[in-house]
Amino acid sequence: EPEVTQTPSHQVTQMGQEVILRCVPISNHLYFYWYRQILGQKVEFLVSFYNNEISEKSEIFDDQFSVERPDGSNFTLKIRSTKLEDSAMYFCASGGEGVDYTFGSGTRLTVV
Amino acid sequence: QKEVEQNSGPLSVPEGAIASLNCTYSDRGSQSFFWYRQYSGKSPELIMFIYSNGDKEDGRFTAQLNKASQYVSLLIRDSQPSDSATYLCAVHNNAGNMLTFGGGTRLMVKP
Repeated sequence: EPEVTQTPSHQVTQMGQEVILRCVPISNHLYFYWYRQILGQKVEFLVSFYNNEISEKSEIFDDQFSVERPDGSNFTLKIRSTKLEDSAMYFCASGGEGVDYTFGSGTRLTVV
Repeated sequence: QKEVEQNSGPLSVPEGAIASLNCTYSDRGSQSFFWYRQYSGKSPELIMFIYSNGDKEDGRFTAQLNKASQYVSLLIRDSQPSDSATYLCAVHNNAGNMLTFGGGTRLMVKP
């Protein structure tokens, strides 16, 4: 069964550093998403991406964050100048025409 | 503010019983409703989704939707210990291409 692949599975970074989280969506999917889940809290929407541009973003997704599809397969989330409160699980998801999309296994980001 | 509310639990049921999980949502424009299962430290896995009022069955799972009451539920028949997980309700509004998640209900199925 096709799956969404995320790397790395765990990233530890110093406060103030930049991190890039990587995702390989399912190959024929058109819609791409990033969600995050702070430990013990709800899964929160960050951003959706379609046709090579952001289609929707939450108030969490401020200037500290950016997304990119650098080639035909990868979808990345860049977090600049990380803060302690950015520590969370970050989930990439991709979907076709419907809304029943598939989540990746996640990247656990720890900012120290 | 679009809210999705779930009782955090834990909901404890004996093996073989029916587990009933509930969810309410605030946005009347919501059009699609999803149930995900999440094991500790893992990503959400889609169980099923429902668009129309009424019941939708898929194996041991039945989703129920009542748009007038802004209420969606998940029934799990013949509960198994492997069903022990957190169940997330999520709501999609076509006006914005995103899912809004509830906080989840932790289900414990005891052998």
